[in-house]
Amino acid sequence: ETGVTQTPRHLVMGMTNKKSLKCEQHLGHNAMYWYKQSAKKPLELMFVYNFKEQTENNSVPSRFSPECPNSSHLFLHLHTLQPEDSALYLCASSQAQGAVNEQFFGPGTRLTVL
Amino acid sequence: GENVEQHPSTLSVQEGDSAVIKCTYSDSASNYFPWYKQELGKGPQLIIDIRSNVGEKKDQRIAVTLNKTAKHFSLHITETQPEDSAVYFCAASQNTDKLIFGTGTRLQVFP
Repeated sequence: ETGVTQTPRHLVMGMTNKKSLKCEQHLGHNAMYWYKQSAKKPLELMFVYNFKEQTENNSVPSRFSPECPNSSHLFLHLHTLQPEDSALYLCASSQAQGAVNEQFFGPGTRLTVL
Repeated sequence: GENVEQHPSTLSVQEGDSAVIKCTYSDSASNYFPWYKQELGKGPQLIIDIRSNVGEKKDQRIAVTLNKTAKHFSLHITETQPEDSAVYFCAASQNTDKLIFGTGTRLQVFP
């Protein structure tokens, strides 16, 4: 185990649904990340939070809404998604942003949008 | 911005043979190059990394080499074992934690 947990592990939703992905890290880190992993594509950085403040939004559509209530928890709220949003969504954490620190990944949430 | 290319996309080797995965990057300012291993049903895990002030780094059966002039770096796995089967990702970074990843290499080690 990497110390980063994600729930749910699998999610199937319709285009009109609203759902949330949850990430929790038990490593005492201060930076947390959301990545999208699609088949045959590089991991795409979506959002970065450093000490609960959003520091990076990589041109992500507004149908994805992140929330970071504290340094240990990160959410990704989903609404009116499209089928092309189906992917593995990975959460990661590191000691802090602004320096090169190892990123620890969770197992991901496999999302299918019908 | 940075662009990382990774080859091959799939690699099959016999147990005990060596495996080499290559990546090239475009931004000469990049100075940190990690390699991640992703097993089925798990997230990527860091296996080795190298910084631009070093040309080679080794950790048991795994080694990484960096050629800054040519802007490419490689992962070498010797004496491969079936448990090395996974998807491997290279990445590049400019002294920050914004990692730009390659597209991955699926390594299969046959017993």
